[in-house]
Amino acid sequence: QQPVQSPQAVILREGEDAVINCSSSKALYSVHWYRQKHGEAPVFLMILLKGGEQKGHEKISASFNEKKQQSSLYLTASQLSYSGTYFCGTEMTTDSWGKLQFGAGTQVVVTP
Amino acid sequence: GAVVSQHPSRVICKSGTSVKIECRSLDFQATTMFWYRQFPKKSLMLMATSNEGSKATYEQGVEKDKFLINHASLTLSTLTVTSAHPEDSSFYICSASRLAGGLSSYNEQFFGPGTRLTVL
Repeated sequence: QQPVQSPQAVILREGEDAVINCSSSKALYSVHWYRQKHGEAPVFLMILLKGGEQKGHEKISASFNEKKQQSSLYLTASQLSYSGTYFCGTEMTTDSWGKLQFGAGTQVVVTP
Repeated sequence: GAVVSQHPSRVICKSGTSVKIECRSLDFQATTMFWYRQFPKKSLMLMATSNEGSKATYEQGVEKDKFLINHASLTLSTLTVTSAHPEDSSFYICSASRLAGGLSSYNEQFFGPGTRLTVL
């Protein structure tokens, strides 16, 4: 039930773009994206609900492909502050109380 | 808004002792609180779901007698690691959930800063 995230890691130069994918084998109600810096708790970025939703947070945006049960996070014109591990959390339609299952994470390193 | 605190941030204890970790939602009432465990460079592993006034729901493989959860109010949940052993050493993170979105409601989940437990 854990979603699959790819890639495992990505190294970018400042200003470059990257895409992180999150896919599930189960029907999803929502997808939540978080960024975690070393030794800190995950910080909420955005939620996508069913229906092909797209959202943005600064120059980070995401989309949710309902049919494919997949969400993608787009890091555009990356900044040094974007470094960290990105997790997607998926909420299944059959679960109550907003329970999330998290992917293994994608480590992003942005270099000067 | 949406601030979640956790206390303590770091604890070192001897094997066999019990450790209590508090999780509070500071500026909102949480419909549900969750407890996670995270190993170095690994993902967040959900341990249990906690609702105020009812028994916690534990994930498969998590010992309920080992990890006691009490949800005293809409803003406070506690996790007690009983008779801790070195293999219980980990980063424990709580999150608090609130309902948002109006007609198309959804649960927003906000994380506390985490508690690093080291059992000697």
